[in-house]
Amino acid sequence: DQQVKQNSPSLSVQEGRISILNCDYTNSMFDYFLWYKKYPAEGPTFLISISSIKDKNEDGRFTVFLNKSAKHLSLHIVPSQPGDSAVYFCAASAVVNTNAGKSTFGDGTTLTVKP
Amino acid sequence: DVKVTQSSRYLVKRTGEKVFLECVQDMDHENMFWYRQDPGLGLRLIYFSYDVKMKEKGDIPEGYSVSREKKERFSLILESASTNQTSMYLCASSTPGLAVGNEQFFGPGTRLTVL
Repeated sequence: DQQVKQNSPSLSVQEGRISILNCDYTNSMFDYFLWYKKYPAEGPTFLISISSIKDKNEDGRFTVFLNKSAKHLSLHIVPSQPGDSAVYFCAASAVVNTNAGKSTFGDGTTLTVKP
Repeated sequence: DVKVTQSSRYLVKRTGEKVFLECVQDMDHENMFWYRQDPGLGLRLIYFSYDVKMKEKGDIPEGYSVSREKKERFSLILESASTNQTSMYLCASSTPGLAVGNEQFFGPGTRLTVL
């Protein structure tokens, strides 16, 4: 059973517009969520995170929204730039998990920003 | 600048060979992880370690083993490589403790092909 799902394998947007990447989770024990960005031939890099006690976290052009009741989070990128073209992974972790530091990752969404 | 390095970017091995993938981090992190990334399957956790000589199975440990003799080094071993182990292998590290949401730092990955 996949606990973290990114249902859109790909997304294409025009430069300057908003990109919205979605992520759903099933495990109600998850209380910390992270987004990573991955370019080809590189490892993922951390982008932004949110704790379950918040419903929004913003960092420059990137904002993550969390809807706990719906077990859904989304990453908004405004405005989108061609350099944002990458694979985006959603990840979730649980404080009560004794294996501290372990995250469960989604399948990833490939974002293409067209000039 | 924090760094996670992996011994090889590209590796080609034959079926039945024993394969060693090495990962070194210079951040004094307690936690280290091995993932494989396959198209449509995202990042899947193979093994992780939260201390020297400690290891725990991830979601797909079959066919793999690990070694953590020193804090900075985490090795992934394919005892007898098979073609279905052809994949991108990613190593990561993170700090432990109460802040389980701590980001993971990834290496650049090793593209392993088993013929």
